[in-house]
Parts: sequence; C-alpha cells; structure tokens
Amino acid sequence: EPEVTQTPSHQVTQMGQEVILRCVPISNHLYFYWYRQILGQKVEFLVSFYNNEISEKSEIFDDQFSVERPDGSNFTLKIRSTKLEDSAMYFCASFVLAGGSDTQYFGPGTRLTVL
Amino acid sequence: AQTVTQSQPEMSVQEAETVTLSCTYDTSESNYYLFWYKQPPSRQMILVIRQEAYKQQNATENRFSVNFQKAAKSFSLKISDSQLGDTAMYFCAFMKSNFGNEKLTFGTGTRLTIIP
Repeated sequence: EPEVTQTPSHQVTQMGQEVILRCVPISNHLYFYWYRQILGQKVEFLVSFYNNEISEKSEIFDDQFSVERPDGSNFTLKIRSTKLEDSAMYFCASFVLAGGSDTQYFGPGTRLTVL
Repeated sequence: AQTVTQSQPEMSVQEAETVTLSCTYDTSESNYYLFWYKQPPSRQMILVIRQEAYKQQNATENRFSVNFQKAAKSFSLKISDSQLGDTAMYFCAFMKSNFGNEKLTFGTGTRLTIIP
C-alpha cells in the first residue's frame, strides 16, 4: 500500500542553524501539508500546499519557515534559523480527492531537537 | 473557526472490554469529515476511522465504530474487545469538505491504556 515517507526520522541541530525536513507524498496525491506536534501537545497545522503554491498557513508558519516541491516528488519544509521552541515532531501529510475516501495520510514524522 | 474538544485526557480499560472515547466539535459548516487517528508510542499518526457528515449511518471498521450525532456535534469512538495493541493516544479531528485543500483541526487527545 502506498505511504508517505519522511526523512530524517530524527534531526538534532544547534539553535540558529537551518534545517530541511523532507517528505515524499503518495504519488497521485495533489495536496500536501505540514503539521507540528510539540511533545505532549496536540497536532497543529502549519501549512498546506497545492499546485506549487501555499494555500493556507497558520500563525506558527512565520518568515522562518518555507516549503517547496523542488522536483515533483519531494516536499520539503525549511526552517531558516531554528529556535529552541521549534523542537517538535513534524508530520507531512498528503491528500487526494477520491470521491468519498477523502483522507489525509500521514508520514511517520521527523523528530526535530534544537539544542 | 472550528474547534475540537476531547474531555478525557486519560482512560484505561481491561483487555477484552469495550471503551468509548468522547469528542465534541463546533462548526458552522454543513459538509465536513470527522476522523479518529491513533498515535502509538512510535508517534506515527494512523487513521482509525472516518465519517462523512452527510452520512447518517455510523462508520465501522472491524472493532472500531463511531457514534456520530450531528445535531449534538458529538463524535465518539467505541473500541470493542480491546487489545493491548490499542494502547495509544487517540486524536479526534475535523476537516471541512471543500474539494480538497482543507486542513485538519485536532483535539487534545485521549491517552488510552489497555490493562492486561
């Protein structure tokens, strides 16, 4: 069964460094998302992406964050200058309209630790 | 804006028993989807069950079923014959129906422990 994949599974970085989190959505999906979950808290929406542009972004998704789909398969989230509070689990999800099976499928997540 | 409320932070039940997790939501939308996701210790988000708001029939998936009360904006999850592998965080989630391109709004989760 097709699945969303994410790399790396765990990323450790120093405060102020740039990180890029990578996702490969399910191949026929057209809508892509990033969510964040700080340890012990609920999952929060960051950004949605469709047709090579951002559709919606949350208040969390400030100028330090960016997304792109560089090659038609990968979907990346970049954090330019990481802060301690960026430590969280980051989930990628993808979605396709399927006439009644409309569901977002999640990747396994990337655990980001900012020191 | 939509909100999702899960009022039970933690629950525990003996193996093989039935347990019901509660979820309420608030929306002015008429067309939407509701989901239950399971998050085991690995922290992966696994879809358990989904419900379309326009369907009156409650969704079922093997041991998992929902009680969807649209007027009351309630969406509870029932797990029958609970198993040790059901131990996880369970998140209720809402998504508007807008031909794609809609985000999920999650509740705060219920930590379920199945006791051997």
